[in-house]
Amino acid sequence: EVQLVESGGGLVQPGGSLRLSCSASGFTFSSYAMHWVRQAPGKGLEYVSAISSNGGSTYYADSVKGRFTISRDNSKNTLYLQMSSLRAEDTAVYYCVKDSRGAYSYWGQGTLVTVSS
Amino acid sequence: DIQMTQSPSSLSASVGDRVTITCRASQGISNSLAWYQQKPGKAPKLLLYAASRLESGVPSRFSGSGSGTDYTLTISSLQPEDFATYYCQQYYSTQGTFGQGTKVEIK
Repeated sequence: EVQLVESGGGLVQPGGSLRLSCSASGFTFSSYAMHWVRQAPGKGLEYVSAISSNGGSTYYADSVKGRFTISRDNSKNTLYLQMSSLRAEDTAVYYCVKDSRGAYSYWGQGTLVTVSS
Repeated sequence: DIQMTQSPSSLSASVGDRVTITCRASQGISNSLAWYQQKPGKAPKLLLYAASRLESGVPSRFSGSGSGTDYTLTISSLQPEDFATYYCQQYYSTQGTFGQGTKVEIK
């Protein structure tokens, strides 16, 4: 059974940093691209970032480019999102997502990031 | 970036109704389109991919169609468990943009 478990969310002040982690199990992690998607309270889904299976290629939404860094450790079956220079508009539930044929086949339960003073 | 325009933003329907949701891309996406269902407090769930292919375990009352820039999700006979918010998403580009969502409510 595929499982994706996010952690690392919490309350952070504007301008601060936070690192999210996603622990994956139930599939060959190193064979799949992975994504981060977020959802602000009461709002729709927003693509955040993607990383290729070997970590060699990374992609970012314009809204986070230069502030967020996606990475992965295939030896630990873990996906990361390093977030810095956080803003109030980054407040959201962040989902870790497994890629399958381009579509987002499995989603974690999400971790809430709140940016507020 | 490819923009996705989804309509309607909400609709009210009764159990047994046929429901149609549309999604338009700002450029051709070659059927690289997925549909997701999200219930309150839960993560989204993949329903269809490649515009019309049903994900394993998804009931056959869900179907998808379309090509080029215009795509449709149809629920042939709405069931009580189908009341939720639905999102389309293009994955033609790596930045997989979503539509704004359609909330399906009970009439």
